[in-house]
Amino acid sequence: ELKVEQNPLFLSMQEGKNYTIYCNYSTTSDRLYWYRQDPGKSLESLFVLLSNGAVKQEGRLMASLDTKARLSTLHITAAVHDLSATYFCAVDFLIQGAQKLVFGQGTRLTINP
Amino acid sequence: GAGVSQTPSNKVTEKGKYVELRCDPISGHTALYWYRQSLGQGPEFLIYFQGTGAADDSGLPNDRFFAVRPEGSVSTLKIQRTERGDSAVYLCASSLGGYRGNEQFFGPGTRLTVL
Repeated sequence: ELKVEQNPLFLSMQEGKNYTIYCNYSTTSDRLYWYRQDPGKSLESLFVLLSNGAVKQEGRLMASLDTKARLSTLHITAAVHDLSATYFCAVDFLIQGAQKLVFGQGTRLTINP
Repeated sequence: GAGVSQTPSNKVTEKGKYVELRCDPISGHTALYWYRQSLGQGPEFLIYFQGTGAADDSGLPNDRFFAVRPEGSVSTLKIQRTERGDSAVYLCASSLGGYRGNEQFFGPGTRLTVL
């Protein structure tokens, strides 16, 4: 069964702090995406990770992928209020020759001043 | 350039009615996907089109749900005899092709409410 699990599901933190969101998945894959979703809005692509050991950084966010551990992390450095949103990871599985994205449950991040 | 567009943005209907949701993908994208996102959950796959044909419809919950993409561009998701449990945001995404590593770009979604 294809399963993608994120933790934590809810995260409340103060501005200036660092934290990490974890994304574990059940079956081998070397493709993973991180998305941001603001309330009432659609999904905004943050990172595309296409190989084992991939690391990408944009501003205060850094994502990494360890395909052997079936784990991706999204690290937040010196959080600011504008980063408050729900973050989803989505794992790209190859099913019968076609791409299938399976999403985690999402991590609702609230950053307090 | 233009992104994925979806209409309507909101749809309120009564139980038992028929609804159609429309998706207009990014020009040149051959792959089109429909997802359903319930409150507080991640998107769940419904159906995938490569060109005009449904390459994978394994996510459709039952035979009340049907989707078409007759000319390989615009797609319509059709729901018959709607039930309250169908209430969700329906997201459409497109990509250059249904191959792994091709990033999917999402539309703004249609919020369906079944009363």
